Amino acid sequence: EPEVTQTPSHQVTQMGQEVILRCVPISNHLYFYWYRQILGQKVEFLVSFYNNEISEKSEIFDDQFSVERPDGSNFTLKIRSTKLEDSAMYFCASSHYEQYFGPGTRLTVT
Amino acid sequence: KQEVTQIPAALSVPEGENLVLNCSFTDSAIYNLQWFRQDPGKGLTSLLLIQSSQREQTSGRLNASLDKSSGRSTLYIAASQPGDSATYLCAVYAGNNRKLIWGLGTSLAVNP
Repeated sequence: EPEVTQTPSHQVTQMGQEVILRCVPISNHLYFYWYRQILGQKVEFLVSFYNNEISEKSEIFDDQFSVERPDGSNFTLKIRSTKLEDSAMYFCASSHYEQYFGPGTRLTVT
Repeated sequence: KQEVTQIPAALSVPEGENLVLNCSFTDSAIYNLQWFRQDPGKGLTSLLLIQSSQREQTSGRLNASLDKSSGRSTLYIAASQPGDSATYLCAVYAGNNRKLIWGLGTSLAVNP
């Protein structure tokens, strides 16, 4: 059964560093999403992506964040200058109708 | 602005009990509603998707209902087992881009 994959599973970085989180969505899906979950808090929507452009972004998704679909398979989330409060679990999802989630990347900013 | 609330926040039951988890949302203009399971420190496992035109969905011991007009969904777990211990999350599909808006979850402990 097709699945969404994410790499790395865990990333530790120092404050101020750039990180790129990678996702491979299900191949025939058209909509892509990033969510994050800070420990003990709700899962929060960050951004949706359709037809090679951002279709919606939340207030969280400021200029420090960017997304890209560099080729036909990968979907990436870049955080330019990480802050301590960016520490969270980041989930990628893709959908044709129902959203399917990857296993997540745990980002720890020290 | 859509808000999703789940009650109770935590639940501890003996094995074998039937139980009900509640989810409410403030804006009835949703597309679908989905229930997920999350084990500690782990990812999101989809349990059931209820389309907006449906009233309920069943999968094994799980049954989820949806009442859009009252802004409520319930997840019914029959004959609970210790392996059911996890956090159960409710999320609604909202907006033109059908992003998911999430509740905080119900943390369930099923005791042997």
